[in-house]
Amino acid sequence: DVKVTQSSRYLVKRTGEKVFLECVQDMDHENMFWYRQDPGLGLRLIYFSYDVKMKEKGDIPEGYSVSREKKERFSLILESASTNQTSMYLCASSEISLRAYEQYFGPGTRLTVT
Amino acid sequence: AQRVTQPEKLLSVFKGAPVELKCNYSYSGSPELFWYVQYSRQRLQLLLRHISRESIKGFTADLNKGETSFHLKKPFAQEEDSAMYYCAIRDRTGKLIFGQGTTLQVKP
Repeated sequence: DVKVTQSSRYLVKRTGEKVFLECVQDMDHENMFWYRQDPGLGLRLIYFSYDVKMKEKGDIPEGYSVSREKKERFSLILESASTNQTSMYLCASSEISLRAYEQYFGPGTRLTVT
Repeated sequence: AQRVTQPEKLLSVFKGAPVELKCNYSYSGSPELFWYVQYSRQRLQLLLRHISRESIKGFTADLNKGETSFHLKKPFAQEEDSAMYYCAIRDRTGKLIFGQGTTLQVKP
């Protein structure tokens, strides 16, 4: 059973703070993803990684960076949090094979920036 | 540009009524389409994909290339079907592009 865990379920940060969101998967998946989930906007891809130390920008990378030093861990970094980054953040992982369409999601981190 | 559109934010039906969650897409080539579901307090998970042509929890979805649609259907809604549903398409790089999501509310 695939398990994707995220470091926090709820997080409250102040404007300008540096924020780290951590994601760990235990299925040896090559691909990992970070999304924002906002009402009416759906899931929007921020960044993804298809291998250790490899990353690619998604649709909305501005204001975010990522780090993947180990295969199982993918971190999302908000360099200087702003109120418009208040959102639900979802991490996901998938294989690199033909089944790469099936993404396994974490429980989400609800981030509030005040 | 590849895009997925779910025109309804909220769909509210009574238990036992038929359900159709709409999904339209734009894609040149042969699309791969999926439905993901998120039940209350649960993770987002894959519900079904068009290639498998299977019925999951009574739901089916047929790819209509002429109308560029992939609507999700169930003949008789159950209260436990209440959830957020996302339609998604796989792009040429293999990533998923999600629609805006539709909340299905099944009333008793």
